[in-house]
Amino acid sequence: SYELTQPPSVSVSPGQTARITCSGDALANQYAYWYQQKSGQAPVLVIYKDSERPSRIPERFSGSSSGTTVTLTISGVQAEDEADYYCQSADSRGTVEFGGGTKLTV
Amino acid sequence: QVQLQESGSGLVKPSETLSLTCTVSGGSVSSGSYYWSWVRQPPGKELEWVGYIYYSGSTNYNPSLKSRITISLDTSKNQFSLNLRSVIAADTAVYYCAAGYSGYEGPQYYFYMDVWGKGTPVTVSS
Repeated sequence: SYELTQPPSVSVSPGQTARITCSGDALANQYAYWYQQKSGQAPVLVIYKDSERPSRIPERFSGSSSGTTVTLTISGVQAEDEADYYCQSADSRGTVEFGGGTKLTV
Repeated sequence: QVQLQESGSGLVKPSETLSLTCTVSGGSVSSGSYYWSWVRQPPGKELEWVGYIYYSGSTNYNPSLKSRITISLDTSKNQFSLNLRSVIAADTAVYYCAAGYSGYEGPQYYFYMDVWGKGTPVTVSS
């Protein structure tokens, strides 16, 4: 297995830019994915393959990758973006791991 | 778009078997379009991938759970199921079913979950 490390919490004011990181050696060679989970709700995919955004997700969500760190960026954060965010990766053997999650406070 | 709904036992005694079913609508479990997964989340904790099954019947399980789980398809009912044997208190969680994608983009492997059910809580207690 491998580990994905996220900061426990990130806090921003409305309209600012939030950046949530996910680090792990495996990310140098594997895609990362991001899920948003609002309180009491199921996760929602917001970024796949490091930087691709599903069409249903607002353009203010973006993803990037550099070495062993991937970053979820939310530009012009809105109150509705307050949620837990989880990164996920998978290796070719089929091992799927999630990060510990980051609580975004707006 | 495909929609998923979990159902099953909400309270399971220790050492017994947890059984959950995910009913799929708007798509077919036998179409090959998706990989059908289970993910769980203990109270106040992070997500944990449990395993997946493909339309062919091939499965992939979390190594930490592999000895206790079986994921299966019921194409006649358009459902897939999770059985977790010999449960303990640590198996208490919200269990989600999900539909996702897997494959290769050039040399790069990918696997992610695109559509999720609402989740169903399961408590292991005597």
